Order: sequence, then structure tokens, then C-alpha cells
Amino acid sequence: DAKTTQPPSMDCAEGRAANLPCNHSTISGNEYVYWYRQIHSQGPQYIIHGLKNNETNEMASLIITEDRKSSTLILPHATLRDTAVYYCIVRDFGNEKLTFGTGTRLTIIP
Amino acid sequence: DTAVSQTPKYLVTQMGNDKSIKCEQNLGHDTMYWYKQDSKKFLKIMFSYNNKELIINETVPNRFSPKSPDKAHLNLHINSLELGDSAVYFCASSQAAQWLGGYTFGSGTRLTVV
Repeated sequence: DAKTTQPPSMDCAEGRAANLPCNHSTISGNEYVYWYRQIHSQGPQYIIHGLKNNETNEMASLIITEDRKSSTLILPHATLRDTAVYYCIVRDFGNEKLTFGTGTRLTIIP
Repeated sequence: DTAVSQTPKYLVTQMGNDKSIKCEQNLGHDTMYWYKQDSKKFLKIMFSYNNKELIINETVPNRFSPKSPDKAHLNLHINSLELGDSAVYFCASSQAAQWLGGYTFGSGTRLTVV
């Protein structure tokens, strides 16, 4: 799997959009970008994934740059419950493994 | 209904004991996984089963033995427990082995070896 680089921590004010960046400069053409989060003491939770187009679901939006070397996860209106560690992962179709890095610890501030 | 359920939630045991952790998923998924999260919070895959067949076996001591009686269950048996086995163990499932969608994780089993 290509490696990802994320900032170790970020803060965001409650009600604002949280933008979490991820660099994956060595991503290959058949690798997808996935985002998971882990709220304290819980199991990881799938958020969203994409290949090259921007994606949106009820939880978040994923913006992937045209060259696919980086992406941004957007939580449009952050709440205190969004405080968690967010993991950006790249994985190709033939690989069953999700390889977690160190993630970004996002703290939502009241 | 909990999609991926693990029992027990907490397990405290002495070194040298043998213990099992159970996992069940009611999502109809074909593939199940065991992940280990150590004290530094790194999440690493240990095993994966697809329709009761082992497909991933990472470098894990052979004291750890997974068993999948059917595709809805994946248990983890650990022999001769050591202090370093203390961690949170997460079970997960996915619709298929090469499923491009998300994986569903359980809430974890916190194992403490004393």
C-alpha cells in the first residue's frame, strides 16, 4: 500500500467545517482513498472512500486532487461528537488489508 | 442489533493462561478480520477469514489461533498469554474479501495480562 501522511493533530470550532488533509504522493492508479475515524474507546468507523472523483455522503465529503496525490476530508458542520482520530488509508482492489497509520487527532472545541 | 459484536468487552487474566475472544456479525458478510491495537494506538491486522477460510495470516505468534466455525463467527484463541499481549483486539467484517466499500468494526475487547 502507498503510504499516507497526515498532521498529528488539529482543532476545529464547533459548527465550523473541519478540513482534514492527507498526502498520498505515491498512490497508484488503482488505489482508492479511504477515511475512517476512531472515537475514544470505540472501534474504527468507516466514513467515505473515493478513487478520483469527489464524493459526498451523509457524514462527510472527500475532495481528491486532480493528480490524486492528496485529498481532504470535510466534515461540514463539526460537532463535539466528531472529536476522534481520523485515518486516511489507501488500498487497491486486490488487497484485503486495511493498513492504518497514525492518523490525525481532531478536537472539536465548543 | 449490534452489527459486529465481541465478547467479552474486558478480559483480565494472568500470564500463562489460555483465553478466547468471540466475534459475531449479523450483516451477512463473507469476510471477517482480527485487528490488534497496542498501547501506542497502532492498529494492525492479524488475521482474515473469507467464508471460513484463512486468507490473511500476518506475522503473529502461533500462540494465537483464529477459528471460524461459520462465516458469521470468528473467534480468537490465545495460548500461554504474555504481558505483551495486553491490547485492544478488534473484530471487523466486510461484504467480501476484495470489497471496495467500508469495513464494519466491533467495539473491541480490552485484554489485560497481569
